[in-house]
Amino acid sequence: QVQLVQSGAEVRKPGASVKVSCDTSGYTFTGYYIHWVRQAPGQGLEWMGWINPNNGRTNYAQNFLGRVTMTSDTSISTAYLELSRLTSDDTAMYYCARPLCGGDPCDAYDIWGQGTMVTVSS
Amino acid sequence: SYVLTQPPSVSVAPGQTARIPCGGSYIGSKSVHWYRQRPGLAPVLVVYDDSDRPSGIPERFSGSNSGHTATLTISRVEAGDEADYYCQVWDTSRDHRVFGGGTRLTVL
Repeated sequence: QVQLVQSGAEVRKPGASVKVSCDTSGYTFTGYYIHWVRQAPGQGLEWMGWINPNNGRTNYAQNFLGRVTMTSDTSISTAYLELSRLTSDDTAMYYCARPLCGGDPCDAYDIWGQGTMVTVSS
Repeated sequence: SYVLTQPPSVSVAPGQTARIPCGGSYIGSKSVHWYRQRPGLAPVLVVYDDSDRPSGIPERFSGSNSGHTATLTISRVEAGDEADYYCQVWDTSRDHRVFGGGTRLTVL
């Protein structure tokens, strides 16, 4: 079955960077975009951007421009999210999500990773 | 930027109908998706493209969208429906996806 499995929890100091992985299986990796969504403790969902694994194209939310990098490795069907210059406001659960259909626009996410908790603390 | 507005909470008795609104400027011209999120778990898609249901989602879940308000309707509410619900659209002007602030559904 289709699965997204994310890397484990991370703790970073302010100013550092973090890289989260999203290991996919059960479908053609290059046929679907991967989106990233985060959720601060007790808060709502925040869209961060997407990557098209077929060609590496990305689209980042305005709030993260200059700090976020989304990449993918088609040889191992894995997507990555890297966030730099971390502050305490970046403490959140980070999710990768796959849309219902391939191509763009398509943004109803029917498959989600289990989430990766990133804690930023001095 | 495009803003989606949801009430923080909605309460309903078991067996009754819950209606969760999602307001946005001319949202009726957009496709709206809805997610349910139970505590400690990832969101689950319950309605997409205004009113379609993914496989495995009961017919009790339905959606509508017109004018400036989209609505998720849950009929014959059960205790297990208690969760946070989020609406989502594509903001075409910036090619960004947007979530509403979420609504906590409480089953009395």
